[in-house]
Order: sequence, then C-alpha cells, then structure tokens
Amino acid sequence: EVQLVESGGGLVQPGGSLRLSCAASGFTFSSYSMNWVRQAPGKGLEWVSHITHTTNTIYYADSVKGRFTISRDNAKNSLYLQMNSLRPEDTAVYYCARDGGTGYACDYWGQGTLVTVSS
Amino acid sequence: DIVMTQSPDSLAVSLGERATINCKSSQSVLYSSNNKNYLAWYQQKPGQPPKLLIYWASTRDSGVPDRFSGSGSGTDFTLTISSLQAEDVAVYYCQQYYSSPPEITFGPGTKVDIK
Repeated sequence: EVQLVESGGGLVQPGGSLRLSCAASGFTFSSYSMNWVRQAPGKGLEWVSHITHTTNTIYYADSVKGRFTISRDNAKNSLYLQMNSLRPEDTAVYYCARDGGTGYACDYWGQGTLVTVSS
Repeated sequence: DIVMTQSPDSLAVSLGERATINCKSSQSVLYSSNNKNYLAWYQQKPGQPPKLLIYWASTRDSGVPDRFSGSGSGTDFTLTISSLQAEDVAVYYCQQYYSSPPEITFGPGTKVDIK
C-alpha cells in the first residue's frame, strides 16, 4: 500500500524557517517524481514545487521561488521542503504528492502537515 | 502565467441527476509531441487530501467509478458526473501542466452539493 506521511509542520514567526519531511513507503520511491502542494485554510489547492526522481529537474511556483528548496533522499525514501523567510501567506496545510507519471497528475497524497506563520 | 478558471463556482444537483463542471485554461495544454492533454481532475472531501479522478483529460484513475468522465482538448475541459450519488458531495479541482515556463496550476474549485 502506498503511504506518504508528512511531518515537520508547526507554528513559526514571520521570517522564520521550517523543514518539512515526507516519508514514503509501499512503492519504489526512487522511480517517481514528487510534488509539494499546499492549501491555505478554507482555500483552494496551490502547487508549490516539483522534483524529478533523479533530482535533475526542479520547478517552483513563483510565490515560493528563492525562499523554498525541495530535495529528496532516495536512500531514505524521503522528500523534503526547506522553507525560509516564511510569511503569513505561507500558512497552509502542506501535502506531499506522488507524480504518477501521467501528465504530472498526482495519484497519491499524504494527509498533510499544517504550517502556521504568525507572531 | 497560466490561468485556470472553473465554472460554476458551486452547483446543487438532485441525487441521480447529471453534474457538469467546466475548466478553461488560458493556454493550450495539448502537447503535439504525444497528442495528450496535460489536464487532471481531483475530488476533495472535507478534512481529506485530494483524490485523483481523471488524468490525460479523459482517463479514469484506477478504482474511480465510471459515472465520472472527463472530456475536452486544448483549453476547454469538462468533468461530468452522470448520476450524482451522496458520496460525490465534494469540491472538484482541475489541474494543468504547462511547460514554458514549467508550472503546475490548479483551478479554483467547484463545490458540488445535493439539491
């Protein structure tokens, strides 16, 4: 069974940093590209970042470019999101999602981890 | 930047009736290299992560009931629920991939309720 479990969320002050992790199991992690997608409270979905299975291609949304860094450790079956210079508008549930290889569609999602940026 | 719009914002449909949701992209998501539309549909119920329903604009994901269907090409797409069931109450999102510059964009969502 495919499982994605996010961790690392919490309350952080504006300007602070946080590192999210996503532990993957039930599939060959090193064969799949991965995404981070976020959802502000009561709002829609916003794609954050994409990383290919070999890490040779990485994309970011304009809203996080220069502040967030996506990475992965295939040996540990883990995906990460380093978030720096956090802003109140970064407050959201952050989901880890697997790219199913079908036109960038995300076929499996974690339950999400809440990041709150507030003083 | 690509802009995705969905219509309507919300709709209420009687049980057993058809629900239709439209999604429009500001740029074509049809790639001539493989003749595929990079357009997906998701269902999200309260308190849950999104669930993939449709990819390549019209291919149902594994286990998705056949009352869900996707159609369209280029910039205009439709998700149809042929016979609405109580468990279909949710928000539905379309999502596209565009390559230049590379970005993935979700539509604003359409809320579906029972009338």
